[in-house]
Amino acid sequence: DTAVSQTPKYLVTQMGNDKSIKCEQNLGHDTMYWYKQDSKKFLKIMFSYNNKELIINETVPNRFSPKSPDKAHLNLHINSLELGDSAVYFCASSPQQGLGGYTFGSGTRLTVV
Amino acid sequence: QKEVEQDPGPLSVPEGAIVSLNCTYSNSAFQYFMWYRQYSRKGPELLMYTYSSGNKEDGRFTAQVDKSSKYISLFIRDSQPSDSATYLCAMTPPGNDKIIFGKGTRLHILP
Repeated sequence: DTAVSQTPKYLVTQMGNDKSIKCEQNLGHDTMYWYKQDSKKFLKIMFSYNNKELIINETVPNRFSPKSPDKAHLNLHINSLELGDSAVYFCASSPQQGLGGYTFGSGTRLTVV
Repeated sequence: QKEVEQDPGPLSVPEGAIVSLNCTYSNSAFQYFMWYRQYSRKGPELLMYTYSSGNKEDGRFTAQVDKSSKYISLFIRDSQPSDSATYLCAMTPPGNDKIIFGKGTRLHILP
């Protein structure tokens, strides 16, 4: 009965590889997000989607590409992984755009070696 | 100046004490204010959500917003060891989906 679930929880990969992180929410929310939390615990928005439409695209390298096949899913694909991409990536959802009551997933800890 | 400033701590207090956590911000357009709690290796969890100045109470937690000073606070009464976590303030202008988070304050409640 997990509200926002992400897979995998841990991901260790080599530089240059391509990887994907999946996110699903069963809350019926319209808006989904990807956030990155760096080693200093700073949480910063990367993307938001409202009902499959891209709303926010922060200054993120174009190696990062989100995809939302339906409003319950938001996946993140990362090409040509770099050491600096190591972080915890959180998926979140909210009932509607502009409301800040996010529900977060438990995160995907990505380590690039 | 960063948009949201929050002392990272750590802050250690004895069990039962009142805890005060604070953030300052620079953007006067912010109107929605939130506090999230994050346990180690978990996602942030929404604790309090307030709009405009004033106080909001929920059990042992009280959120306070002073828009004139651009200052928000979270008070925890009768603190428990289970309150040990990182507390993140967050805020956004109305109609804007982009929430800005503080860096979080690590709190330790000592039994």
